[in-house]
Amino acid sequence: ETGVTQSPTHLIKTRGQQVTLRCSSQSGHNTVSWYQQALGQGPQFIFQYYREEENGRGNFPPRFSGLQFPNYSSELNVNALELDDSALYLCASSLDPQETQYFGPGTRLLVL
Amino acid sequence: AQRVTQPEKLLSVFKGAPVELKCNYSYSGSPELFWYVQYSRQRLQLLLRHISRESIKGFTADLNKGETSFHLKKPFAQEEDSAMYYCALRGTGRRALTFGSGTRLQVQP
Repeated sequence: ETGVTQSPTHLIKTRGQQVTLRCSSQSGHNTVSWYQQALGQGPQFIFQYYREEENGRGNFPPRFSGLQFPNYSSELNVNALELDDSALYLCASSLDPQETQYFGPGTRLLVL
Repeated sequence: AQRVTQPEKLLSVFKGAPVELKCNYSYSGSPELFWYVQYSRQRLQLLLRHISRESIKGFTADLNKGETSFHLKKPFAQEEDSAMYYCALRGTGRRALTFGSGTRLQVQP
């Protein structure tokens, strides 16, 4: 059974640019949740996708958007990057929205 | 609003000593509580959840609704327990996990 994978592992962007982060869910999982983890903090919920539809959103602005594909992999897109967007972005997949979430290794984004 | 508080950023103990990592929460309904652990250079992984009432790697946690706490305990710490520990809450019918800011456990030889 393959675990959750994320790409890329690291990324450097400049303020104002756009970024796309990718996540492949664990086999059999139809739900993907995205979290932002700033340095020294716990992960903060961005949004969740269930069967290709957004299924809940945290307190993040609309420039954070996402997609889920028919194979249940997912993308997180961030437009108009700001310095404060520098963080570790975590993806977690689960069998359904109420089941245990299994995390990927994360993508570390640095915005200069 | 739901909130999770882990008051200690760092907890340092000697091998064989008891460990208690504190977690307090605020939530008006009946929450699900979790402990996640992150070992050095590894991904965040589930350690235990309160509804399972199980012991994993010698760790236990009891949900105390009166004190709104879910402290993680182990009677005898091992060096391999050194890691970052996060307490998390999920509200009734909700999707998101709300995490605390984490406690780093250092077990010294």
